[in-house]
This record gives sequence, structure tokens and C-alpha cells, in this order.
Amino acid sequence: GAVVSQHPSRVICKSGTSVKIECRSLDFQATTMFWYRQFPKKSLMLMATSNEGSKATYEQGVEKDKFLINHASLTLSTLTVTSAHPEDSSFYICSARDPKLGQGPDTQYFGPGTRLTVL
Amino acid sequence: AQSVTQLGSHVSVSEGALVLLRCNYSSSVPPYLFWYVQYPNQGLQLLLKYTTGATLVKGINGFEAEFKKSETSFHLTKPSAHMSDAAEYFCAVSGYGQNFVFGPGTRLSVLP
Repeated sequence: GAVVSQHPSRVICKSGTSVKIECRSLDFQATTMFWYRQFPKKSLMLMATSNEGSKATYEQGVEKDKFLINHASLTLSTLTVTSAHPEDSSFYICSARDPKLGQGPDTQYFGPGTRLTVL
Repeated sequence: AQSVTQLGSHVSVSEGALVLLRCNYSSSVPPYLFWYVQYPNQGLQLLLKYTTGATLVKGINGFEAEFKKSETSFHLTKPSAHMSDAAEYFCAVSGYGQNFVFGPGTRLSVLP
């Protein structure tokens, strides 16, 4: 099946620094990728939808200047947490849609997640 | 709009006992329904999904779920729990052209 990878798997940074998380589709070209955030012992919340070559669409309440999303190629989307603070500590999960399988939700594949800890 | 509720944030069963995790949904479009499992500090693993067709869906690791439209439910079952089934389970709903909406999750503990 399709594979989506994330890098790094975990990152620890100091408050005030910026952190970039990569999401890659390894064996398909993903025109659409999604970023989710999971708070400790909570469910996943969709942060934004990223379309290749265009600006990301952010969900209500998500600061687009805080969470910069770039989808510059068909296999890579990046999430940059700018000026990170301890409250940004979370588990970030991406997913990618394989357009060859159509536009249905069952064509999305999830990455393994990135654990961000901001000290 | 879509939403998912999962009854019971924590379920404990004995090894070998039946596992039943409940999921109810609401959707304004024909639903696609999913169950994912998450082990600590890991991503989501798809257990099974319902899109169209047969309402009883079989997944990996002996899990199955039945889509009941009249009850707006998609409960997850496994006849005999194994210690390795201990994890967090998420039910999710989506639809054609819709985003995923995840339930709050149910933590399954398996007692020896």
C-alpha cells in the first residue's frame, strides 16, 4: 500500500525557535496533503489542507502565521512551527491523498507522526 | 456537518473476552467510516473502513465492524481480545469531498 513518511519522528526545541516537519508521499504523487494535530490523550484535529502549488487552507482557529505550510512538490509538504512555545508541544500527523484512487476519503494515507516538544 | 461520538473513553476487557468499542456518527452526506488504532507514540494504523456495499466489514487483526445506517453506528468488535490489542482506537467519519472528523478515542486495556 501507499506509504507516507514524516521527518523527524520526534524533535525537541527551545522556546522561540522554529521547527520544520516534513511529510512525504513515497510511492505516489499527492496533490493534496493534510496536517493534523493531536494533543496528549486527545483526538486528532485537522489543522489545514495543503494543495500542491497553492496556498494552504487553514481550519478555523489555526494561526496561519504560526503554522506555515508549504506544498512545493507533489511528494512533499512541510509544516513549520514558527517561534515555537511550550503550548505548541503536540503530536503532528500528516496524511496524503493518492489522486489515482479518486477523491474519496478512503484514498488518504496517514504518516507516522512527529512528536514536538518545546522547552 | 459531521461528528463522531465514541461511548467510553476507556474500556477494559480480559484476555480472550469479546471486545466491543462503540462509535456513533452523524453525517449530512453518505458516510465513509473508519477505525484506526494508535499505539503509544505512533501514528494511525487503519483497521478497517466502510465506503459502500457490504455493511459488515472485516479488518486486520481479527477486527470487524458493522455499518448500521438506521442506528448511525459503526461499532468495532473482536471475538477474543489479545494483550497486543491494548491501544487507543479512533473512529472517524468522512464523505466524498469531506474532511476526516475523528472521534475522541477509546483506550482499550486488556487484562491478563
